Order: sequence, then C-alpha cells, then structure tokens
Amino acid sequence: DAGVIQSPRHEVTEMGQEVTLRCKPISGHNSLFWYRQTMMRGLELLIYFNNNVPIDDSGMPEDRFSAKMPNASFSTLKIQPSEPRDSAVYFCASSWGSNEKLFFGSGTQLSVL
Amino acid sequence: RKEVEQDPGPFNVPEGATVAFNCTYSNSASQSFFWYRQDCRKEPKLLMSVYSSGNEDGRFTAQLNRASQYISLLIRDSKLSDSATYLCVVNRGGGNKLTFGTGTQLKVEL
Repeated sequence: DAGVIQSPRHEVTEMGQEVTLRCKPISGHNSLFWYRQTMMRGLELLIYFNNNVPIDDSGMPEDRFSAKMPNASFSTLKIQPSEPRDSAVYFCASSWGSNEKLFFGSGTQLSVL
Repeated sequence: RKEVEQDPGPFNVPEGATVAFNCTYSNSASQSFFWYRQDCRKEPKLLMSVYSSGNEDGRFTAQLNRASQYISLLIRDSKLSDSATYLCVVNRGGGNKLTFGTGTQLKVEL
C-alpha cells in the first residue's frame, strides 16, 4: 500500500514568492495533519482536518499560511508570501478514525532565501 | 514551559548498553502517550504506545508515571540500528491532536 505522499520533496524559493505544498493521505484515512519541524522548535502541529473539515488551525503561525482539503485524497498547505523564517521541513500525516497512530509522509524540505 | 520536554542529548552509548530516556509533560489532563522514532532526514514513525501499567516490546520498555507527569523509554542491549532521535508524544485529549517533544538523540557506537 502506498503511504502518505508529499510533493515536492524539496523546494527552494525566494522571499515573497508563493509556495504550495501537497499531500495525498493514505486511502481510507479520514484525518490529516500538517506539521512543521525545525531544529529549535521540533515538530509543531499547524492544522488538522477530520473528514475534510479543518478542526483546529490554532497552530497556523499567521495569515500568510493557509490549508485546504478539497477532498479525502488531497490537501495543500500554502504560504503567501514566503519568508526566510518559514524554512523548515513540512510533514503531512494521516490517521483513521480515533486511531492515534499517525503515518507521516517523507516531508517537504522548504528553503526560503 | 514547554508542553513536552526532553533532554536533547546526544546520548552516546556502546553497542550492548542499556540506555534510558525520560520525558516530562505539563498538562495533567493528558490522556495518551507514545514514543516515536525519527531517523536522520526521515519521517517520524511510531515506536510504541505507553500504558499506565508499563509495556514492553522486545528490547524496548515504556513506562508512565502520571503522578510525576513523566514517561520513560528503556532500550536494552542497544544495537547500532537503534541510533535515531526518539520523540516523546502526548495527546492532550479531544481528538488526535498530538504534541511532540523536540526529541532525544541516541548514537550507538561500536
């Protein structure tokens, strides 16, 4: 079975540009999570969806960040405009029902110059 | 104070050694607890859940102390392949909202 699929694996962009990260959860999973990981702050939950509906976006740092889940098999995290402090690894994860086991994608390494 | 705190390490141990990590959490209402493992430049993966009665999976033993609000992970007979970062994870309840510690790095050496 395919795991959580994220794209791109690496993204290098210039400050001020729009960045879109993509995620395909495991088929049948109904919860999807976006995390950001940095050396200083570790893994931080940005937002999570249940049945395609955003449940908690309190971790989204500011209005420059937005996330959507138009259907059960696809989600995007957008940063507009991007800033150098957004540089991090962004992970998407999914789970099923009330199961607390998260399956993570391979992450997107974002560098904003 | 961070919700979940861990000693970042690194813990450098020889192969075959026993090593233990602790983690403290601040929210006494936290309901479930886990250890995840993250290899360098890879995604985190669930290692084991932590139960109040303690639980063991092969060389790995996890324990929870609710009164003192800490959890522990013990690795016996450590292998080179155990080298990784171990993340302490807490669910405060109300959905699958997991809070991760920043991790403890383990390096097992020959």
